[in-house]
Parts: sequence; structure tokens; C-alpha cells
Amino acid sequence: DAGITQSPRHKVTETGTPVTLRCHQTENHRYMYWYRQDPGHGLRLIHYSYGVKDTDKGEVSDGYSVSRSKTEDFLLTLESATSSQTSVYFCAISLQGLGNTGELFFGEGSRLTVL
Amino acid sequence: KNQVEQSPQSLIILEGKNCTLQCNYTVSPFSNLRWYKQDTGRGPVSLTIMTFSENTKSNGRYTATLDADTKQSSLHITASQLSDSASYICVVSAKGSQGNLIFGKGTKLSVKP
Repeated sequence: DAGITQSPRHKVTETGTPVTLRCHQTENHRYMYWYRQDPGHGLRLIHYSYGVKDTDKGEVSDGYSVSRSKTEDFLLTLESATSSQTSVYFCAISLQGLGNTGELFFGEGSRLTVL
Repeated sequence: KNQVEQSPQSLIILEGKNCTLQCNYTVSPFSNLRWYKQDTGRGPVSLTIMTFSENTKSNGRYTATLDADTKQSSLHITASQLSDSASYICVVSAKGSQGNLIFGKGTKLSVKP
């Protein structure tokens, strides 16, 4: 299994509170991604990083921010959580960019419930 | 609009039987197509990655096919086992894209004894 650790794995919070999800990798892969998975939707990209301090938005980035201060850590922050952000969040890593045939490895997911 | 459609949405088969899952896409320009297996409560795990020039790729009892002309792919599972019960996700990458894959909604397969 790829060395990807997501924390916390489960979190229940209230609307309006800040939440930070952490993704830690031990593979030294350049690219890191945050996806969300919701019923009736395919996985959707929130933000991704192509190096330390280099990040870009995905298709559903509104309400989320990210930071990558070290190769191994990629943080996803919900500044003020809303019920629409209740979801399962997956971190993923790849050595190459996904426009090539870069293998994409996923973490185990973080289930977030916003009440 | 880039889209990936999978069928059927769900499928129930008996252990030992074969099955085929379908994926149609409208992603352009095409770079590669991937199949993932996702067990309940776990992250997706890659089964195969195919480029434009590959039309068949196997991984054990899993065989993926790709027809880039008709923009269709299939995943064939041979001699199914209970552990094959999972969601199977088709994912297409557009050429030149750095960060985005287009994910299908998945086919949920249940293998019954």
C-alpha cells in the first residue's frame, strides 16, 4: 500500500466552524490531490499541488483552501464549514502529472459530517 | 463537456460467473483511461491504465479493453470471487491536463455465494 495517511478519518462538526484535514505521504511524490466523493457523483477534484507551495484549483474549489509547506504534507481547510461540504474526502498522490500515465494512489478517506 | 458514463449502475452475480462492465466517454483530447476498484469504506485502487494505442490490458482476472474510435471501454471480470464485490470506477484523463481526471460514477458489483 502507498504510504498515505489521512487524518482525521472521521469528523463531525457544526456549521460555521473551521476544519482542517491532513494528508501525509511517505512516498516523496511530487503531486498531491484532494478529492471529494458524494453519492450520485464521481470523484471531484478540489485542489491539487505540483510541488511545495505550488497549488491550483480543481473543479469544486469554492469554500476550500489548501497549503503545502513540505513535500509530505498537504492540508485541506474549510474556513467555515457548511452542510453542503458533508462528504468523504480523499487525498491522492502521483509521481507524474496525470496527463501522462502517472499512477494515482489514494488514501483511505476522511468522512466529514457538518451539522 | 467532458463526461464519463458507466453502465450498469449496479450488478449482482453469482460467485464463479463472469461479468462485463461498460464505460463510454466524451473526453477530448484523450490521454489515458483507468479502471479503479473501490471497496466499501476504502480508497480506490488502480486496476489498469491504458493509452490510446493499447486496446487490451489484463491484471489477473481483470481484463480491460479500449476502443478509442468509439470511445468505449469495458472491464471483464473472470470467475468472480466474493472479494470482487466493490465499486468499479472508470476514469479518463485528457491530454495535457495536469491535475484533473474525469471520473465515472461507478458500477457497484455484488458477488453472491
